[in-house]
Amino acid sequence: DQQVKQNSPSLSVQEGRISILNCDYTNSMFDYFLWYKKYPAEGPTFLISISSIKDKNEDGRFTVFLNKSAKHLSLHIVPSQPGDSAVYFCAASGNSGGSNYKLTFGKGTLLTVNP
Amino acid sequence: DAGITQSPRHKVTETGTPVTLRCHQTENHRYMYWYRQDPGHGLRLIHYSYGVKDTDKGEVSDGYSVSRSKTEDFLLTLESATSSQTSVYFCATQMGPGANVLTFGAGSRLTVL
Repeated sequence: DQQVKQNSPSLSVQEGRISILNCDYTNSMFDYFLWYKKYPAEGPTFLISISSIKDKNEDGRFTVFLNKSAKHLSLHIVPSQPGDSAVYFCAASGNSGGSNYKLTFGKGTLLTVNP
Repeated sequence: DAGITQSPRHKVTETGTPVTLRCHQTENHRYMYWYRQDPGHGLRLIHYSYGVKDTDKGEVSDGYSVSRSKTEDFLLTLESATSSQTSVYFCATQMGPGANVLTFGAGSRLTVL
């Protein structure tokens, strides 16, 4: 059963506009969430994260919002740039020790930013 | 990432042959992981290691084995490769359980004919 879901396989936006990528999770034990960005022929790179004790984390043009009651998080990119075109993976983990430090990834969303 | 080297980067092999992928890290990170990436499936965990000679299975471990004889090296072995194991394999490292961020290598593309 998929515990981290990215229901939109792809998203296309115009340069300068906002990109919103969504992610849902089912495991209530998850308490740390990350977004990774992946370009073709490269490994995923860490973008931004958020702990469950927060509902928002911002880093430059990237903001992640967490709605724990809805088990939903989103990544906002403002303004979007053509260089942001990549696959974005949502990931989640638990912080309760043991084996919970492993990350569970969603299937990814391909973002295309058109000039 | 400069601290993680995967080899080979590309490999084509035939069904039934053994294949070993190597991950080498210079970060001295305790935890190491092997993921595979497939269209429509995202990144799925194959095996991971939480220390030298300490390994465990992930969600898609069938047909794979791993070994970690020293901190810097984590080997993934396909004892008898099958076409379903055609994929891109990523190694990742993590400092420890309190640090959730994984750092990934550039990937190894494996084609099994």
